[in-house]
Amino acid sequence: AQKITQTQPGMFVQEKEAVTLDCTYDTSDQSYGLFWYKQPSSGEMIFLIYQGSYDEQNATEGRYSLNFQKARKSANLVISASQLGDSAMYFCAMRERDSSASKIIFGSGTRLSIRP
Amino acid sequence: DSGVTQTPKHLITATGQRVTLRCSPRSGDLSVYWYQQSLDQGLQFLIQYYNGEERAKGNILERFSAQQFPDLHSELNLSSLELGDSALYFCASSADTGTGTYEQYFGPGTRLTVT
Repeated sequence: AQKITQTQPGMFVQEKEAVTLDCTYDTSDQSYGLFWYKQPSSGEMIFLIYQGSYDEQNATEGRYSLNFQKARKSANLVISASQLGDSAMYFCAMRERDSSASKIIFGSGTRLSIRP
Repeated sequence: DSGVTQTPKHLITATGQRVTLRCSPRSGDLSVYWYQQSLDQGLQFLIQYYNGEERAKGNILERFSAQQFPDLHSELNLSSLELGDSALYFCASSADTGTGTYEQYFGPGTRLTVT
């Protein structure tokens, strides 16, 4: 069965430092996609980055990069030069790609707090 | 602004009642997803529609149903409401054809409170 694990319920980071949010997953499928979303205190869900299981390069989007280690089944989100506005909940999610009845599952989230 | 709209923003109703949540996807997106976010269950995928047809099903209760109309807007119907149904319900849309390889754009959510 699919599973997403985020082991850090909360993190505190100094502004301008880089931060890594951990995500491990479990799937028996060869084809799947991994996503990261940000949820600020206002409640909306914001897409950050996507990594396909067959993508050879790690995904990057501005200050966000995804450290994809397929053999270890990990998909950690790296935020460089953190800013106060990065304070939010962060969710890792996975979807198997080929199944027509595929589900999307989310991890329990990590609450990131940036200290000035 | 993601381009996805959801109405209403807030809904307060009593146990046993039935409500309908509405979602309009981003212009051009054919896929609509519904999610439930509650404190004890986290973020749960409920159901996906693609161009009017159900494409994938998650942890959706039998008391819940959804549909996507020809104009691509979607409705989530929740019936026989229980206290535990109180949650934030998100709709998301994407340009994908159901493979899940495209990013999803979330609406602002509907906060449902069942009393």
